[in-house]
Amino acid sequence: SQKIEQNSEALNIQEGKTATLTCNYTNYSPAYLQWYRQDPGRGPVFLLLIRENEKEKRKERLKVTFDTTLKQSLFHITASQPADSATYLCALEGRGGYQKVTFGTGTKLQVIP
Amino acid sequence: GAVVSQHPSWVICKSGTSVKIECRSLDFQATTMFWYRQFPKQSLMLMATSNEGSKATYEQGVEKDKFLINHASLTLSTLTVTSAHPEDSSFYICSASAEAKNIQYFGAGTRLSVL
Repeated sequence: SQKIEQNSEALNIQEGKTATLTCNYTNYSPAYLQWYRQDPGRGPVFLLLIRENEKEKRKERLKVTFDTTLKQSLFHITASQPADSATYLCALEGRGGYQKVTFGTGTKLQVIP
Repeated sequence: GAVVSQHPSWVICKSGTSVKIECRSLDFQATTMFWYRQFPKQSLMLMATSNEGSKATYEQGVEKDKFLINHASLTLSTLTVTSAHPEDSSFYICSASAEAKNIQYFGAGTRLSVL
């Protein structure tokens, strides 16, 4: 069955460092992969979308890579700030017309001042 | 842009009553709206997908008579939890996407507590 794995353990890093979050998937050939941020008690907020034929995407301090061979996406936040503390969800959408988006369980990031 | 408003943000009700949750896209036309349920420390579980003017498509295991979805216009979808019971207590989140877009814009969520 299709599976999306994100590290369930919280990631604690020092302010100013680069945070790297991992999203692995199995039994899936997504056409798109997305990253969302979710704060406690709030709905997710879209951050970045990367297509299967793209290796890397950047937006300000954010960078996403997509390796369809490894079936993995890495999400980087450079020069991290305490305000970046949140849960980050990866989401995959299949191919062939509209396909529903499946979300991972998310990784909680804590940036320590 | 791309703001989705969800109301109410928090509701407490007695067992057996019905609760309606509204989801509005404020600055774009949402051809498709989605309803999710999220338990603590778990991922979003898609309940149903609705397109304006047509019946919602429910995910396996979701009772359509229990969770009534109406998508009457391009900017409004409602989810009604009928005859709510304590096991229906959860965090419900809606999202909306515009035509030919893959990005979903989420509402702030509704915390439902059934006593």
